[in-house]
Amino acid sequence: QSVLTQPPSVSAAPGQKVTISCSGGSSNIGNNYVSWYQHLPGAAPNLLIYDGDKRPSGIPHRFSGSKSGTSASLGITGLQTGDEAVYYCGAWDSSLNAYVFGSGTEVTVL
Amino acid sequence: EVQLVESGGDLVQPGGSLRLSCSASEFTFSSYEMFWVRQAPGKGLEWISYVSGGGETTYYADAVKGRFIVSRDNSMKSLFLQMNSLRVEDTAIYYCARDNGYAIDYWGQGTLVTVSS
Repeated sequence: QSVLTQPPSVSAAPGQKVTISCSGGSSNIGNNYVSWYQHLPGAAPNLLIYDGDKRPSGIPHRFSGSKSGTSASLGITGLQTGDEAVYYCGAWDSSLNAYVFGSGTEVTVL
Repeated sequence: EVQLVESGGDLVQPGGSLRLSCSASEFTFSSYEMFWVRQAPGKGLEWISYVSGGGETTYYADAVKGRFIVSRDNSMKSLFLQMNSLRVEDTAIYYCARDNGYAIDYWGQGTLVTVSS
């Protein structure tokens, strides 16, 4: 049972938009930095969003993040087949003294 | 470019031990907190340990507490994970990862640990 809750899967046609939610609590998302990671099969995870809504250099503007209270969300616009991956939210949990990940959301491009 | 390269993964019997290493380059290693994260077959990402920049503070996931020990040698720019009393459920790809204070910004390619008789 993950501390952060994500939907198991989302899907949309090429060019469309998907949004992935991540629900946590005051000890993690509510008072710490939330990040989003893309995990392609056979590759290392890749940081997409940090501090709720900031993109590292090299990450396309198609990827966006937001945070409100104890929840966060990742949006992907202009969906491409190369975006098919599992996406994880993550944050430090001050009560557990642990980094917690969501259970992951598989994105499928129809 | 920042690089993290893991090594030491292997096939080991239940109850056995293994030591993973992670070699870091192209950044000031001692200035960064480091994690180990694993992914078991068919499962999601699981954080398992944290070590502060100086190595004096460590944290562990409950699943490995008392069995795994994280350490670092800043002079060698290396991170280690000593894994004892290994269980079948420890089978996973183990990633070394850098924490920049906001997020995990760099990951290694991972090393496979298989625990099986």
